[in-house]
Amino acid sequence: EAGVAQSPRYKIIEKRQSVAFWCNPISGHATLYWYQQILGQGPKLLIQFQNNGVVDDSQLPKDRFSAERLKGVDSTLKIQPAKLEDSAVYLCASSFAPGGEFFGPGTRLTVL
Amino acid sequence: QKEVEQNSGPLSVPEGAIASLNCTYSDRVSQSFFWYRQYSGKSPELIMSIYSNGDKEDGRFTAQLNKASQYVSLLIRDSQPSDSATYLCAVNTGRGKLIFGQGTELSVKP
Repeated sequence: EAGVAQSPRYKIIEKRQSVAFWCNPISGHATLYWYQQILGQGPKLLIQFQNNGVVDDSQLPKDRFSAERLKGVDSTLKIQPAKLEDSAVYLCASSFAPGGEFFGPGTRLTVL
Repeated sequence: QKEVEQNSGPLSVPEGAIASLNCTYSDRVSQSFFWYRQYSGKSPELIMSIYSNGDKEDGRFTAQLNKASQYVSLLIRDSQPSDSATYLCAVNTGRGKLIFGQGTELSVKP
C-alpha cells in the first residue's frame, strides 16, 4: 500500500511571498488532514476534509492560509503572504475515519 | 489548561529498563486515544491506540487508559536504543478532532 505523498519536501521563501504544498492521500482514505508542526511542539490541526468537504478549519489562519480538496482526492495548502512564524513542517495525513492517521513525510518550510 | 499535556522530558532510561510516558487530557467526552512515535526529522508513526479503560498490550508496548482520571500512559518494556524518539499522545475529542500533546523525548542509553 502506497503511503501519503507530499511535495515539495523542502521550501525556502522570503516573508510576504506565497507558497503551495501538495498532498496525495492513501487510496480510499476519505479523511484528509493538514497539520502544522513547529519545532519542539506537537502537530496542530489546520484543516480536516471529509471527501471534498471541510469538517474543521477552526485553527486555519484564513486571512493567509487556504486549502482545497477538489474531487475528494489530493489536496493543496497555500500560504499567501507568508510570515516568519509560518516556518514549520506541514504534515498531510489521511485515514478511513478520524483517529489513527497515517502521515506523509511532510514539507519543511523556512520563511526568511 | 492545555487540552493534552505531556511531560516534555527528555526522559532518559538505560537499555533494558521500562520507560513510562504519561499524558493527561481535559475533554471528558474524549473517546479514543493514540500514541505516535516520531524520530528526529521524520513524520509521526502510529504505534498504539486504546479506546476503553484498562491496559492494551502490543509486543513491548502497553497503553493504559483511565477515563475517570483523564489519564493515558505508554509503557515500553525492555527499552532499546532504537526506541529513542519523541512520543506524541493524541486524543480524539467527541467532536472528532485529534489533539496532540507537545511530545515527550525519550532517550535510551546503551
